[in-house]
Amino acid sequence: EVQVVESGGGLVQPGRSLRLSCAASGFTFDDYAMHWVRQAPGKGLEWVSGISWNSGTTGYADSVKGRFTISRDNANNSLYLQMNTLSPEDTALYYCVKDTSASTIVAFDLWGHGTMVTVSS
Amino acid sequence: IQLTQSPSFLSASVGDRVTITCRASQDISGFLAWYQQIPGKAPKLLIYGASTLQSGVPSRFSGSGSGTDFTLTVSSLQPEDFATYYCQQLTGYPVTFGGGTRLEIK
Repeated sequence: EVQVVESGGGLVQPGRSLRLSCAASGFTFDDYAMHWVRQAPGKGLEWVSGISWNSGTTGYADSVKGRFTISRDNANNSLYLQMNTLSPEDTALYYCVKDTSASTIVAFDLWGHGTMVTVSS
Repeated sequence: IQLTQSPSFLSASVGDRVTITCRASQDISGFLAWYQQIPGKAPKLLIYGASTLQSGVPSRFSGSGSGTDFTLTVSSLQPEDFATYYCQQLTGYPVTFGGGTRLEIK
């Protein structure tokens, strides 16, 4: 089955760190760029970060630049998001998303179910 | 690049034809996609490249536009189409989404 499955979410205090993981299966992982998209409760979609197939190109939303780091391990079909200095504004459901392209950004055609991150004291 | 969707809320009936508009703050050529999100579910890709229908998406969905003005049209609403719709620009990083259009049953 073609799928991506997120893990690593939870409750964390402001200022702390968290690492999200995404396990991909059913497709050739290193043929595609990957992204993280988040959705705060009751709000719209916000793109967070993206990475090309070979990790040569990465991008970040201004809201997370300098705090979050995206990475991937093609040997293990995995995508990661290291989140540092978390704030309550980072509270959201985080989706792992597959692009239709390897390096350019074309469209997001496979979404996971998401992992919830709650930042609160 | 900012994307402005209108309307933000739309009430319609089964069988209606509806159109949602997405306006970009600058020229994005045809680098636009549309997604459907049913409450409690992950978004689903409907259209990419402004007008290319994703595989498996019903033909009642269509997209058009280029530059700064784009539309998503549903030719005859079905009960399963009542959801929230988002446009997305993909000219490069950073990627941005529109604020969403919530489509509800009248």
